[in-house]
Amino acid sequence: DAGVTQSPTHLIKTRGQHVTLRCSPISGHKSVSWYQQVLGQGPQFIFQYYEKEERGRGNFPDRFSARQFPNYSSELNVNALLLGDSALYLCASSSGGGNTEAFFGQGTRLTVV
Amino acid sequence: RKEVEQDPGPFNVPEGATVAFNCTYSNSASQSFFWYRQDCRKEPKLLMSVYSSGNEDGRFTAQLNRASQYISLLIRDSKLSDSATYLCVVNADSGYALNFGKGTSLLVTP
Repeated sequence: DAGVTQSPTHLIKTRGQHVTLRCSPISGHKSVSWYQQVLGQGPQFIFQYYEKEERGRGNFPDRFSARQFPNYSSELNVNALLLGDSALYLCASSSGGGNTEAFFGQGTRLTVV
Repeated sequence: RKEVEQDPGPFNVPEGATVAFNCTYSNSASQSFFWYRQDCRKEPKLLMSVYSSGNEDGRFTAQLNRASQYISLLIRDSKLSDSATYLCVVNADSGYALNFGKGTSLLVTP
């Protein structure tokens, strides 16, 4: 069984550039969430999408946006990259909209130089 | 005040030892509680959900005290392979977001 898949696994970008990260949830899961994890910290919630609608947004600037497609895959977009955006970006898949167990992909490690 | 607080450790214990991690959360309306394990530079993996009645999975026991807003994880007979960071996780007000603690680092030594 395929778990949560994310692409790319690693990425190096320059300040000011834009990046798109992709996630495919576990088959049958309709919810995708995005988290940012910087070194030494726990993951921080960015967005959750359920049935293609945004259900929650964390405390991140408008430079961060996301969407979910009809096949439940998702993209996270970050504009005008800052050095501080360097982090591991994690996608989590769950079957329900809330209070359910979440399963994470291997993450995309983004480095902004 | 952070929503979920954990002692970052590190906890260094010998193989076979029993070790306990604690976590406190600030939102009394939280409904779901989990422990995740994260190996170095890998994704978090669900270790176990935590229920008010307490629950056990092999060598791992989790407890929840809603009155004190306190969660614990007990690991018995520690193995070298238990070395990892253990993340305490609580669902947020909205029910859609998970709040993670910073994690507690465990190193099990021979």
